[in-house]
Amino acid sequence: EAGVAQSPRYKIIEKRQSVAFWCNPISGHATLYWYQQILGQGPKLLIQFQNNGVVDDSQLPKDRFSAERLKGVDSTLKIQPAKLEDSAVYLCASSLTVVYGYTFGSGTRLTVV
Amino acid sequence: QQQVKQSPQSLIVQKGGISIINCAYENTAFDYFPWYQQFPGKGPALLIAIRPDVSEKKEGRFTISFNKSAKQFSLHIMDSQPGDSATYFCAASRSGAQKLVFGQGTRLTINP
Repeated sequence: EAGVAQSPRYKIIEKRQSVAFWCNPISGHATLYWYQQILGQGPKLLIQFQNNGVVDDSQLPKDRFSAERLKGVDSTLKIQPAKLEDSAVYLCASSLTVVYGYTFGSGTRLTVV
Repeated sequence: QQQVKQSPQSLIVQKGGISIINCAYENTAFDYFPWYQQFPGKGPALLIAIRPDVSEKKEGRFTISFNKSAKQFSLHIMDSQPGDSATYFCAASRSGAQKLVFGQGTRLTINP
């Protein structure tokens, strides 16, 4: 079974620039998550999709972050404009149901300078 | 709001020793408690999980102990090996939410 694919692996941008991350979940996984993992901290949920609908985006800074999941498969997360504090690893995960565990991608490491 | 508190932040154990990582939660509605293991440059991977209807679950060298009244659970790694060196996260979820709340992580180093 192919894992969760994410790209790019690394990205360095200047503050106030925009950036986008892409995620392709495991085939058949209806639920997709974007987590932000700041160095030395645990992952923090940004947004949760069920198929192509948003279930939870309560911790997404909506003034600068946006996400979409087209046709219930691939997803993109965008930051515009980026701030220094957005430097983190952005993890995408998918699941059939949470009790079977998430499958995480390897993440995109974003550095904002 | 920190719903799952994990300790210690870092841990060094000698090869063959027992590694113990603790977590405490606040929300009594949580009913699923997994542990994830993360190696550098990789995403976290599910290691072992427990539900509150049992007090202990063992899989190989990994054991979860669960204390519902204290709202605490812990991961024990027996006969710790250098290959166990990684960051470990506890997490919690409640039925229907389909999302995990993670602890802050413990960086475990096993010295050979």
